[in-house]
Amino acid sequence: QVQLKESGPGVVAPSETLSLTCSLSSGLISSFHWFWVRQPPGKGLEWIGRIYYNGNTDYSPSHKGRVTISIEASKQVFSLKLTSVTAADTAVYYCGRELNWKIDSWGQGTPVIVSS
Amino acid sequence: QTVVTQEPSLTVSPGGTVTLTCASSTGAVIGASNANWFQQKPGQAPRSLIYGTRLKHSWTPARFSGSLLGGKAALTLSNVQTEDEADYFCLLYYGDAQVWVFGGGTKLSVL
Repeated sequence: QVQLKESGPGVVAPSETLSLTCSLSSGLISSFHWFWVRQPPGKGLEWIGRIYYNGNTDYSPSHKGRVTISIEASKQVFSLKLTSVTAADTAVYYCGRELNWKIDSWGQGTPVIVSS
Repeated sequence: QTVVTQEPSLTVSPGGTVTLTCASSTGAVIGASNANWFQQKPGQAPRSLIYGTRLKHSWTPARFSGSLLGGKAALTLSNVQTEDEADYFCLLYYGDAQVWVFGGGTKLSVL
């Protein structure tokens, strides 16, 4: 496993861009996929997308067009940007690691509220 | 839009056995779906239990097992303990689109 920690503003205004960062405090960012998942209050988990260490990305069709996942390997961080947010984007956002279709590490999660 | 379906809720007695299933709207779940299973307790991050349909992490208790059952992915809990009361989520991989899709989750009660 690897230690992951999400960070970002807890509140985002409607129509603005949500930006989150996931930092690795141990392990290496290379040779893995890194993903984002969210969980609206009282609901299930939703896969948002992932990025390979070389920068290749895959996104859920539900979010394609609004989401960008990027990576800064030298800094051992990867990021999520979600544009034009609405109340429906209020959720706990988790980052995690995937290797060869094996998901083994999760961050603790960070809550984001969309509100003016 | 691909939908992955799980039982909304199940109840099992301590010491009993229960099987949770995970079905895909696109057809039978197969090995290439690489089913992962997760346990989540209130206020906590998900905890990975199973990957590759039936493979366990080093921390996965022996009483948890994964399989394919009747065209679905399945998670079986044997000798259920009270601490197994939690929400369980499956995750399936769709190779054509290179995306993962979560099931809606099963709330397991141990009574």
